[in-house]
Amino acid sequence: GNSVTQMEGPVTLSEEAFLTINCTYTATGYPSLFWYVQYPGEGLQLLLKATKADDKGSNKGFEATYRKETTSFHLEKGSVQVSDSAVYFCALSVYNTNAGKSTFGDGTTLTVKP
Amino acid sequence: DGGITQSPKYLFRKEGQNVTLSCEQNLNHDAMYWYRQDPGQGLRLIYYSQIVNDFQKGDIAEGYSVSREKKESFPLTVTSAQKNPTAFYLCASSTGIDFDSYNEQFFGPGTRLTVL
Repeated sequence: GNSVTQMEGPVTLSEEAFLTINCTYTATGYPSLFWYVQYPGEGLQLLLKATKADDKGSNKGFEATYRKETTSFHLEKGSVQVSDSAVYFCALSVYNTNAGKSTFGDGTTLTVKP
Repeated sequence: DGGITQSPKYLFRKEGQNVTLSCEQNLNHDAMYWYRQDPGQGLRLIYYSQIVNDFQKGDIAEGYSVSREKKESFPLTVTSAQKNPTAFYLCASSTGIDFDSYNEQFFGPGTRLTVL
């Protein structure tokens, strides 16, 4: 089956610090990989995605590279801001399998302090 | 603008009452999903639907029911059989498995249900 393992939180950083949130996966087939962000009291929003090996997804200063050899998709940002405080979910989906469902990690809570 | 709407944002219910949460999308997506999220927890899939008039149970379907009479709508009923219904409920949609897509999911803003 498919599974996603995320770095456990919570993660607390000072403003302008470097962020890494680890994500590894197992999948039957060739997955697409996603990072979603959830701000307090809201639904999830897609942050970035990568659909094949060595692809780099990027958005709002966040980046993640699809590493097939290590089955990983770690999220990074060079300089975090207070406004980045949120819960981050890593997810995968395998085209035309598993009834189109996505598999989500448990989420990592990030708090950025001024 | 295309998107997913959920209503109401906050809902209060007395024990023993059924309550229905609304989810509407205008993205022309075939697939729709309901998730439950408890404080500090991840997402748990309740029900999903790949096409109109068809739906399947997810991981925690007991005490819930759904219908999919229209492509745009996927309401969730929380019944009195659900023993611990207080939670944040999220609806999502995707293009589904019949398209050359990557099944990115689009989420609504959520409904927070509290049982009094």
